[in-house]
Amino acid sequence: EAQVTQNPRYLITVTGKKLTVTCSQNMNHEYMSWYRQDPGLGLRQIYYSMNVEVTDKGDVPEGYKVSRKEKRNFPLILESPSPNQTSLYFCASSSTTYPGGTEAFFGQGTRLTVV
Amino acid sequence: EDQVTQSPEALRLQEGESSSLNCSYTVSGLRGLFWYRQDPGKGPEFLFTLYSAGEEKEKERLKATLTKKESFLHITAPKPEDSATYLCAEYLISSGSARQLTFGSGTQLTVLP
Repeated sequence: EAQVTQNPRYLITVTGKKLTVTCSQNMNHEYMSWYRQDPGLGLRQIYYSMNVEVTDKGDVPEGYKVSRKEKRNFPLILESPSPNQTSLYFCASSSTTYPGGTEAFFGQGTRLTVV
Repeated sequence: EDQVTQSPEALRLQEGESSSLNCSYTVSGLRGLFWYRQDPGKGPEFLFTLYSAGEEKEKERLKATLTKKESFLHITAPKPEDSATYLCAEYLISSGSARQLTFGSGTQLTVLP
């Protein structure tokens, strides 16, 4: 079954404690990205990756890091989480980005609370 | 500035009462206009992609259309199971580099039995 898998689904952590949210896709997609979703603000892109070892900032990258060492995995790293990073996070993957884009498959989401 | 604006923010319909959701997008540089459905606590689920003005796509009770400046998601005779948040997103090519989807804030649809 084609899917994007995020872990963990729920996480409560304290300010400043480094954490990683994992994302894995089994569709051999080149393109992967991370979004955060906040009430009234919709989905906002944090980082994206066009292929292995190629990453770039989205609209709200501050406080986040990513890496793309393998095609299937795209972890999101919060080196020093702060309460304003409390949000619902989604990982997504798609097969092409050019010329018109294709449908993105989303993971189930990770609800992060930073206290 | 890239911007996707959806209206209304929330919509309550009686079962069987047809209506439309609106999505205004960034006109220049548009390469694709996407519609997604999102159920509470879940990731968005792809519905449609539209690439050029005049294009229409249908799926069950849903039909998406695209004009030169906006897109509509028409819901015909909705059922309670159509209740969800519907998200519109645009895909642009900006400054020679690929950009991912830019989402609107969504329309929360509630269909009452």
